[in-house]
Amino acid sequence: GQNIDQPTEMTATEGAIVQINCTYQTSGFNGLFWYQQHAGEAPTFLSYNVLDGLEEKGRFSSFLSRSKGYSYLLLKELQMKDSASYLCAALDSNYQLIWGAGTKLIIKP
Amino acid sequence: ETGVTQTPRHLVMGMTNKKSLKCEQHLGHNAMYWYKQSAKKPLELMFVYNFKEQTENNSVPSRFSPECPNSSHLFLHLHTLQPEDSALYLCASSQGDSREQYFGPGTRLTVT
Repeated sequence: GQNIDQPTEMTATEGAIVQINCTYQTSGFNGLFWYQQHAGEAPTFLSYNVLDGLEEKGRFSSFLSRSKGYSYLLLKELQMKDSASYLCAALDSNYQLIWGAGTKLIIKP
Repeated sequence: ETGVTQTPRHLVMGMTNKKSLKCEQHLGHNAMYWYKQSAKKPLELMFVYNFKEQTENNSVPSRFSPECPNSSHLFLHLHTLQPEDSALYLCASSQGDSREQYFGPGTRLTVT
Protein backbone atom coordinates (compact mmCIF):
# COMPACT_ATOMS: atom_id res chain seq x y z
CA GLY A 1 0.00 0.00 0.00
CA GLN A 2 0.92 3.65 -0.24
CA ASN A 3 1.83 5.50 2.91
CA ILE A 4 3.26 8.75 4.20
CA ASP A 5 4.68 9.00 7.73
CA GLN A 6 5.44 12.22 9.57
CA PRO A 7 5.44 13.12 13.26
CA THR A 8 2.11 14.18 14.71
CA GLU A 9 3.39 17.15 16.66
CA MET A 10 6.62 19.04 17.30
CA THR A 11 7.52 21.92 19.58
CA ALA A 12 10.29 24.45 18.97
CA THR A 13 11.44 27.80 20.31
CA GLU A 14 11.17 31.15 18.55
CA GLY A 15 14.41 31.95 16.72
CA ALA A 16 15.54 28.32 16.60
CA ILE A 17 15.70 25.76 13.79
CA VAL A 18 13.38 22.79 13.37
CA GLN A 19 13.44 19.85 10.95
CA ILE A 20 10.22 18.02 10.09
CA ASN A 21 10.79 14.58 8.61
CA CYS A 22 8.65 12.65 6.17
CA THR A 23 9.04 9.12 4.82
CA TYR A 24 7.00 7.79 1.94
CA GLN A 25 6.16 4.52 0.22
CA THR A 26 4.37 4.97 -3.10
CA SER A 27 3.72 3.12 -6.34
CA GLY A 28 6.15 5.08 -8.47
CA PHE A 29 7.27 8.58 -7.61
CA ASN A 30 6.89 11.91 -9.36
CA GLY A 31 7.87 14.34 -6.65
CA LEU A 32 7.34 15.41 -3.06
CA PHE A 33 5.36 18.45 -1.90
CA TRP A 34 5.28 20.35 1.37
CA TYR A 35 2.30 22.50 2.33
CA GLN A 36 1.64 24.76 5.31
CA GLN A 37 -1.80 24.94 6.87
CA HIS A 38 -2.69 27.42 9.60
CA ALA A 39 -5.60 26.47 11.83
CA GLY A 40 -8.90 27.09 10.08
CA GLU A 41 -7.23 28.03 6.80
CA ALA A 42 -6.44 26.43 3.44
CA PRO A 43 -3.17 24.56 2.86
CA THR A 44 -0.65 26.70 0.97
CA PHE A 45 2.18 25.39 -1.20
CA LEU A 46 5.70 25.62 0.23
CA SER A 47 7.97 23.45 -1.90
CA TYR A 48 8.32 20.72 -4.50
CA ASN A 49 11.28 18.33 -4.85
CA VAL A 50 11.69 15.72 -7.56
CA LEU A 51 15.49 15.41 -7.66
CA ASP A 52 17.73 14.48 -4.75
CA GLY A 53 19.15 17.33 -2.76
CA LEU A 54 18.31 20.48 -0.91
CA GLU A 55 16.12 23.29 -2.22
CA GLU A 56 16.38 26.54 -0.30
CA LYS A 57 13.70 29.21 -0.30
CA GLY A 58 14.33 31.93 2.25
CA ARG A 59 13.94 30.62 5.79
CA PHE A 60 12.50 27.33 4.52
CA SER A 61 14.45 24.51 2.86
CA SER A 62 13.30 21.10 1.65
CA PHE A 63 15.43 18.02 1.15
CA LEU A 64 14.76 14.82 -0.79
CA SER A 65 16.44 11.42 -0.94
CA ARG A 66 14.65 9.23 -3.48
CA SER A 67 16.70 6.15 -2.65
CA LYS A 68 15.66 6.38 1.01
CA GLY A 69 12.08 7.49 0.42
CA TYR A 70 12.77 10.40 2.73
CA SER A 71 12.27 14.14 2.82
CA TYR A 72 12.54 16.87 5.39
CA LEU A 73 11.41 20.46 5.73
CA LEU A 74 13.86 22.73 7.54
CA LEU A 75 12.60 25.95 9.09
CA LYS A 76 15.18 28.48 10.29
CA GLU A 77 14.87 31.58 12.49
CA LEU A 78 11.48 30.41 13.66
CA GLN A 79 8.77 33.01 14.12
CA MET A 80 5.51 32.71 16.03
CA LYS A 81 3.61 32.88 12.73
CA ASP A 82 5.26 29.59 11.72
CA SER A 83 2.96 27.79 14.17
CA ALA A 84 0.90 25.66 11.79
CA SER A 85 0.49 22.15 10.46
CA TYR A 86 2.96 21.04 7.80
CA LEU A 87 1.68 18.51 5.27
CA CYS A 88 3.91 16.19 3.28
CA ALA A 89 2.51 14.70 0.06
CA ALA A 90 4.08 12.40 -2.55
CA LEU A 91 3.00 12.22 -6.18
CA ASP A 92 2.68 8.60 -7.31
CA SER A 93 3.03 7.08 -10.78
CA ASN A 94 -0.59 8.00 -11.61
CA TYR A 95 0.07 11.61 -10.62
CA GLN A 96 -2.15 11.19 -7.58
CA LEU A 97 -1.06 12.96 -4.40
CA ILE A 98 -0.68 10.72 -1.35
CA TRP A 99 -0.94 12.86 1.77
CA GLY A 100 0.48 12.54 5.25
CA ALA A 101 -1.66 13.42 8.27
CA GLY A 102 0.42 16.54 8.90
CA THR A 103 2.80 17.67 11.62
CA LYS A 104 1.49 20.27 14.01
CA LEU A 105 4.33 22.65 14.85
CA ILE A 106 4.05 24.64 18.07
CA ILE A 107 6.39 27.60 18.50
CA LYS A 108 7.08 28.82 22.02
CA PRO A 109 8.50 32.25 22.88
CA GLU B 1 -6.34 35.78 -1.64
CA THR B 2 -5.71 32.29 -2.96
CA GLY B 3 -7.60 32.56 -6.23
CA VAL B 4 -9.88 29.70 -5.19
CA THR B 5 -13.14 30.55 -3.47
CA GLN B 6 -15.62 28.28 -1.75
CA THR B 7 -19.15 28.84 -0.50
CA PRO B 8 -20.58 28.45 1.99
CA ARG B 9 -17.79 28.59 4.57
CA HIS B 10 -19.91 26.84 7.18
CA LEU B 11 -22.87 24.51 6.73
CA VAL B 12 -25.02 22.64 9.21
CA MET B 13 -27.45 20.17 7.72
CA GLY B 14 -29.70 17.38 8.84
CA MET B 15 -29.38 13.86 7.49
CA THR B 16 -32.43 14.29 5.24
CA ASN B 17 -31.37 17.62 3.71
CA LYS B 18 -29.98 18.30 0.26
CA LYS B 19 -27.32 20.98 -0.12
CA SER B 20 -24.53 21.92 -2.52
CA LEU B 21 -21.00 23.19 -2.02
CA LYS B 22 -19.58 25.54 -4.62
CA CYS B 23 -16.00 26.14 -5.69
CA GLU B 24 -14.68 28.66 -8.18
CA GLN B 25 -11.10 29.13 -9.33
CA HIS B 26 -9.85 32.33 -10.92
CA LEU B 27 -6.39 31.01 -11.89
CA GLY B 28 -7.05 29.60 -15.35
CA HIS B 29 -6.23 26.07 -14.18
CA ASN B 30 -7.46 22.96 -15.98
CA ALA B 31 -7.75 20.53 -13.05
CA MET B 32 -9.99 20.74 -9.98
CA TYR B 33 -10.26 18.54 -6.91
CA TRP B 34 -12.53 17.83 -3.95
CA TYR B 35 -10.91 16.70 -0.70
CA LYS B 36 -12.28 15.72 2.70
CA GLN B 37 -10.20 16.72 5.73
CA SER B 38 -10.97 15.15 9.11
CA ALA B 39 -9.08 15.91 12.30
CA LYS B 40 -5.68 14.20 12.56
CA LYS B 41 -6.20 12.26 9.32
CA PRO B 42 -4.57 12.70 5.91
CA LEU B 43 -6.40 14.64 3.27
CA GLU B 44 -8.75 12.24 1.46
CA LEU B 45 -9.03 12.82 -2.28
CA MET B 46 -12.66 12.46 -3.35
CA PHE B 47 -12.90 13.57 -6.98
CA VAL B 48 -10.65 14.92 -9.72
CA TYR B 49 -11.69 16.75 -12.86
CA ASN B 50 -9.32 17.41 -15.76
CA PHE B 51 -10.66 19.67 -18.50
CA LYS B 52 -14.17 19.15 -17.03
CA GLU B 53 -13.90 15.36 -17.28
CA GLN B 54 -13.97 13.32 -14.08
CA THR B 55 -10.77 11.28 -13.89
CA GLU B 56 -10.85 10.09 -10.27
CA ASN B 57 -13.56 8.85 -7.97
CA ASN B 58 -11.98 7.30 -4.93
CA SER B 59 -14.80 5.00 -3.86
CA VAL B 60 -16.83 7.91 -2.60
CA PRO B 61 -20.39 7.05 -1.42
CA SER B 62 -23.12 8.03 -3.86
CA ARG B 63 -24.55 10.51 -1.35
CA PHE B 64 -21.76 12.79 -2.64
CA SER B 65 -22.28 13.85 -6.25
CA PRO B 66 -19.82 16.14 -8.06
CA GLU B 67 -20.56 18.42 -10.97
CA CYS B 68 -18.11 20.37 -13.12
CA PRO B 69 -19.99 22.56 -15.62
CA ASN B 70 -16.79 24.29 -16.82
CA SER B 71 -13.11 24.44 -15.95
CA SER B 72 -13.64 27.26 -13.44
CA HIS B 73 -16.51 25.87 -11.39
CA LEU B 74 -16.94 22.75 -9.31
CA PHE B 75 -19.89 21.67 -7.19
CA LEU B 76 -20.39 18.96 -4.61
CA HIS B 77 -24.02 17.97 -4.18
CA LEU B 78 -24.89 16.43 -0.84
CA HIS B 79 -27.91 14.36 0.14
CA THR B 80 -28.85 12.00 2.99
CA LEU B 81 -25.49 12.48 4.67
CA GLN B 82 -24.35 10.72 7.83
CA PRO B 83 -22.85 12.29 10.97
CA GLU B 84 -19.44 10.79 10.06
CA ASP B 85 -19.47 12.97 6.94
CA SER B 86 -18.90 16.00 9.16
CA ALA B 87 -15.53 17.42 8.12
CA LEU B 88 -13.79 20.24 6.30
CA TYR B 89 -14.33 19.95 2.54
CA LEU B 90 -11.56 21.53 0.51
CA CYS B 91 -11.54 22.40 -3.15
CA ALA B 92 -8.26 22.79 -5.02
CA SER B 93 -7.09 23.52 -8.55
CA SER B 94 -3.86 23.05 -10.49
CA GLN B 95 -2.43 23.52 -13.96
CA GLY B 96 -2.01 19.89 -14.95
CA ASP B 97 -1.91 17.02 -12.49
CA SER B 98 1.77 17.23 -11.64
CA ARG B 99 1.89 20.80 -10.45
CA GLU B 100 1.21 22.36 -7.09
CA GLN B 101 -2.40 22.62 -6.03
CA TYR B 102 -4.04 25.82 -4.86
CA PHE B 103 -6.66 25.35 -2.17
CA GLY B 104 -9.81 27.20 -1.28
CA PRO B 105 -10.60 28.07 2.36
CA GLY B 106 -12.90 25.08 2.72
CA THR B 107 -16.46 24.48 3.87
CA ARG B 108 -16.84 23.30 7.47
CA LEU B 109 -19.73 20.81 7.26
CA THR B 110 -21.62 19.54 10.29
CA VAL B 111 -24.24 16.82 9.83
CA THR B 112 -26.73 16.55 12.68
